[in-house]
Amino acid sequence: NAGVTQTPKFRVLKTGQSMTLLCAQDMNHEYMYWYRQDPGMGLRLIHYSVGEGTTAKGEVPDGYNVSRLKKQNFLLGLESAAPSQTSVYFCASSYLQRYNEQFFGPGTRLTVL
Amino acid sequence: RKEVEQDPGPFNVPEGATVAFNCTYSNSASQSFFWYRQDCRKEPKLLMSVYSSGNEDGRFTAQLNRASQYISLLIRDSKLSDSATYLCVVIANTGGFKTIFGAGTRLFVKA
Repeated sequence: NAGVTQTPKFRVLKTGQSMTLLCAQDMNHEYMYWYRQDPGMGLRLIHYSVGEGTTAKGEVPDGYNVSRLKKQNFLLGLESAAPSQTSVYFCASSYLQRYNEQFFGPGTRLTVL
Repeated sequence: RKEVEQDPGPFNVPEGATVAFNCTYSNSASQSFFWYRQDCRKEPKLLMSVYSSGNEDGRFTAQLNRASQYISLLIRDSKLSDSATYLCVVIANTGGFKTIFGAGTRLFVKA
């Protein structure tokens, strides 16, 4: 039981490049989330999904796209990376949003030059 | 004003000390409350949920004050392994459920 996994763990991009971050969970959770964490700020929600085939915008969605084609996977895409997207990205999943614990992946450290 | 505010610290305490953190929230529609722990360069992990009547888990005690809109975390008999950042998390019902993370309070426990 791996929980929540993320790939890659580290990445360096040049401005304008694109990439996809992959999140996978094996807990059969309905809800999945993508957050970014920057120094001095709390985790900020980028996009989330309430089930297979659904996505919704969070607090800071601009510059990102997501897809949830399979229940266990949630992909985060950056179409044209910018230095402001340098951050640590965490994926999380939960059974229900309201009361339940969110389980986090180990994070992806992204630097955009 | 941030929706969830925490003192960033750092709190530097000796082993065995008792330390308390507070977290204030601004949304009166907040319904669920949690404390998460995040070690350096690691992912957040749930420490404990916070219930209206207060709850205790070993050396950790969480309290909720709805009238004043704050939650607290008390750590007794601090251990070196308690050194981490503690995140306050609030879930508010704003037409849909919204999870809001505080920026965290850093704790260093020294020998």
